Amino acid sequence: DAKTTQPPSMDCAEGRAANLPCNHSTISGNEYVYWYRQIHSQGPQYIIHGLKNNETNEMASLIITEDRKSSTLILPHATLRDTAVYYCIVRVGTGANNLFFGTGTRLTVIP
Amino acid sequence: ETGVTQSPTHLIKTRGQQVTLRCSSQSGHNTVSWYQQALGQGPQFIFQYYREEENGRGNFPPRFSGLQFPNYSSELNVNALELDDSALYLCASSLNRVNTEAFFGQGTRLTVV
Repeated sequence: DAKTTQPPSMDCAEGRAANLPCNHSTISGNEYVYWYRQIHSQGPQYIIHGLKNNETNEMASLIITEDRKSSTLILPHATLRDTAVYYCIVRVGTGANNLFFGTGTRLTVIP
Repeated sequence: ETGVTQSPTHLIKTRGQQVTLRCSSQSGHNTVSWYQQALGQGPQFIFQYYREEENGRGNFPPRFSGLQFPNYSSELNVNALELDDSALYLCASSLNRVNTEAFFGQGTRLTVV
């Protein structure tokens, strides 16, 4: 599975959009981009995934560049409850287990 | 609330002892994975079970073993505990091996002294 690079931490004002970047320059054609988050003292929570097209669900949007070497997770209106560690994971296939987490980005939403 | 429950929530063991952690999967899910999360690190994959068979393993020694039962609940067993085994142990279930979403439990915090 390709390696990912994320900033260790970010701040976002409550109510504003939070844009979390992820670099995955060695991604191969059959690898998906997944995002999970982990709120303090809880297990990780699935957010969204995509292959090459942009994706949106009730939680977030995922923007993948045309060359697929990077992506951005967008939380459109961040709330205090979005404060968490966000993990960008690249893996082959659509299976969600056997996930390789890194150290992620710690997002702090500020009132 | 994911429907995945783990027990116990916390426990303390002595170096050299054995421990069994338990996980009840979400209803209808036949695949379960176990992860170890050391303090300040992301979760690391230990192994996965699919329909009672081990179906993939991470870089963990054989003293980490598991079981999955016919009702798809699961156990993680760790023998000869070491201080470095102190971590949060997470169980994740999914509908099947290729389903996209894994549902994680709240974890068991193991402290080895």
